[in-house]
Amino acid sequence: SQTIHQWPATLVQPVGSPLSLECTVEGTSNPNLYWYRQAAGRGLQLLFYSVGIGQISSEVPQNLSASRPQDRQFILSSKKLLLSDSGFYLCAWSPDYEQYFGPGTRLTVT
Amino acid sequence: RKEVEQDPGPFNVPEGATVAFNCTYSNSASQSFFWYRQDCRKEPKLLMSVYSSGNEDGRFTAQLNRASQYISLLIRDSKLSDSATYLCVVSDTGRRALTFGSGTRLQVQP
Repeated sequence: SQTIHQWPATLVQPVGSPLSLECTVEGTSNPNLYWYRQAAGRGLQLLFYSVGIGQISSEVPQNLSASRPQDRQFILSSKKLLLSDSGFYLCAWSPDYEQYFGPGTRLTVT
Repeated sequence: RKEVEQDPGPFNVPEGATVAFNCTYSNSASQSFFWYRQDCRKEPKLLMSVYSSGNEDGRFTAQLNRASQYISLLIRDSKLSDSATYLCVVSDTGRRALTFGSGTRLQVQP
């Protein structure tokens, strides 16, 4: 069966520091991969999606970037965090249209 | 206008009650429809897909009305464990990305 992992689970970072969040999927090959952010009390906002290695589409222009160095690995990065980057970051994979989410990373920027 | 609109609630219902959630979507080209459930501070989990013919899974029934661009979820015999936020979700065929509603919060009370 397929499993999706995210780490770290929680993170507290100062403004201006870099960020790297990792997501890996097991038990499937060439999945579509997604990064979402959920601000406190808000809905899910799609940040990036990828249909294959090295193929990244950005949904929202901001100080975040994503990379897919391997088939089942998706990384979210930032060079300098802003206070507004705080939120719950969720990675998801999709075999078709439905999506399955990882446990998420709760990021607090101080 | 939001792409997917839901009543935020909360819906406070007693155990055993029947409760219905509604959702409207703006993109008439949307092809796939889902209900997700999100517990507090957890990742969303797929509850069920929604088909034009309607579908049922135990105590849960989902309906889709394409002409009115309207989706519903009915929960019968509510349990305490049904307390969560229910997310209405539609898929864009072009990019296979999901658009999430902001969710409807359900609180089932003893």
